[in-house]
Amino acid sequence: KNEVEQSPQNLTAQEGEFITINCSYSVGISALHWLQQHPGGGIVSLFMLSSGKKKHGRLIATINIQEKHSSLHITASHPRDSAVYICAVPGSYNTDKLIFGTGTRLQVFP
Amino acid sequence: GAVVSQHPSRVICKSGTSVKIECRSLDFQATTMFWYRQFPKQSLMLMATSNEGSKATYEQGVEKDKFLINHASLTLSTLTVTSAHPEDSSFYICSARPSEDTQYFGPGTRLTVL
Repeated sequence: KNEVEQSPQNLTAQEGEFITINCSYSVGISALHWLQQHPGGGIVSLFMLSSGKKKHGRLIATINIQEKHSSLHITASHPRDSAVYICAVPGSYNTDKLIFGTGTRLQVFP
Repeated sequence: GAVVSQHPSRVICKSGTSVKIECRSLDFQATTMFWYRQFPKQSLMLMATSNEGSKATYEQGVEKDKFLINHASLTLSTLTVTSAHPEDSSFYICSARPSEDTQYFGPGTRLTVL
C-alpha cells in the first residue's frame, strides 16, 4: 500500500513569502498529483508530474523519483493562495485509485 | 483546462429521502469517473470507480445498495444516496479521467441530511 505523507500540516505566511510544501510517498509511482482545495471545498488540479519540474504562474512543482519526494513551491505568496494543498499518488496495487495525503493548510496573511 | 461539473453544489434533505448527484465532464469523454467522500478535516476517500457501460467498483466498506452509481454515458455519472441519514452528511466529489494518470476533479457537492 502506498503511504503519502505531507509536511507541514499547517503553514502560515506573510504575503510575499516563498512557500514550500513537501510530499513523500513509499512506493514507486508513475505520476504524482498536486491539488488545491479552497475553503468552499472545490478541488483544482494544479499539477500532474512524473519527473523533473513543472511551473504554472507562481506555482512550481518538483519531483525526485529516486527519493520518492515532491515539493510544491509558491513564489510571492498572496492571501488568495490560502487553501489546503494535497498531494496524491496512484495506489500500488490499483493504480486507478489515488492515495491522498492529509493536506497542508496554508494561510497567507496580508 | 478540462472541466468537470457537479450538480447540485449543495443539498439539504430530510432523513430517509434519496439524493442524486450528477457529475459531468464538459469538454472531454471519460470512460472512468471516480466518486470520493470527504468528512471535515479529513482526506478524500475513494468510494467507487464508475465505468461507462458497466457496474461500478466499490471500495471496501462502501455499501453499493446505499450509494447507487450509474455511468450512463461517456460524460455523465450519477451517485444516488438512497435513504439518506445524518451520518451520510459529507462532501461528495467526483473526478473524471480522460486518459491514464490524469484526473480532473469536480467542485464537489455538500450534502446535509437533517
